[in-house]
Amino acid sequence: AQTVTQSQPEMSVQEAETVTLSCTYDTSESDYYLFWYKQPPSRQMILVIRQEAYKQQNATENRFSVNFQKAAKSFSLKISDSQLGDAAMYFCAYRSRGAGSYQLTFGKGTKLSVIP
Amino acid sequence: KAGVTQTPRYLIKTRGQQVTLSCSPISGHRSVSWYQQTPGQGLQFLFEYFSETQRNKGNFPGRFSGRQFSNSRSEMNVSTLELGDSALYLCASSLSSSSGANVLTFGAGSRLTVL
Repeated sequence: AQTVTQSQPEMSVQEAETVTLSCTYDTSESDYYLFWYKQPPSRQMILVIRQEAYKQQNATENRFSVNFQKAAKSFSLKISDSQLGDAAMYFCAYRSRGAGSYQLTFGKGTKLSVIP
Repeated sequence: KAGVTQTPRYLIKTRGQQVTLSCSPISGHRSVSWYQQTPGQGLQFLFEYFSETQRNKGNFPGRFSGRQFSNSRSEMNVSTLELGDSALYLCASSLSSSSGANVLTFGAGSRLTVL
């Protein structure tokens, strides 16, 4: 079974600064997807970014980028120019590519605070 | 385009009762998944439906059940409620195609409190 570990329960960042959230995972599979989801206090889970394991290029979405290290099974999220609206719980998630299921395995989450 | 709609948003039940939660997926989405979110256990997969068939199930007791209708709407039911069932229940829908990452889109959740 796959596991996802987020070792930082809480983090804080100054507005306009950069922060990196860590995520490691364990799997014996070679093809899979990785995701970062954001859950603001309003509770709606929102996709931030996704990475396909067979793509070596790191995914980027505006101020959000990832550092995907497949051999190390590491998938960190970098948020640049942090904004107050970035304050939320961030969840790293894993999904197998095959198996005909969209089941996600989540980490425990990192609570990000943005300091004005 | 409407998002994933979950009803009710909040509900309070007592131990021993049963509860039914509803989820309407995004139009065109045929896959619906359910997750339980608690402070202690985090996000745990309950089950997934596609075209009215359960195609995957998490490690939950048989008191947790679900179904999907022909219009892709889904319901989940929890019988004989226990205090530990208090949680946020999240529904997510997805297109189901042979290509692409088929990203899950989540609803706002149903907050269940068991007294």
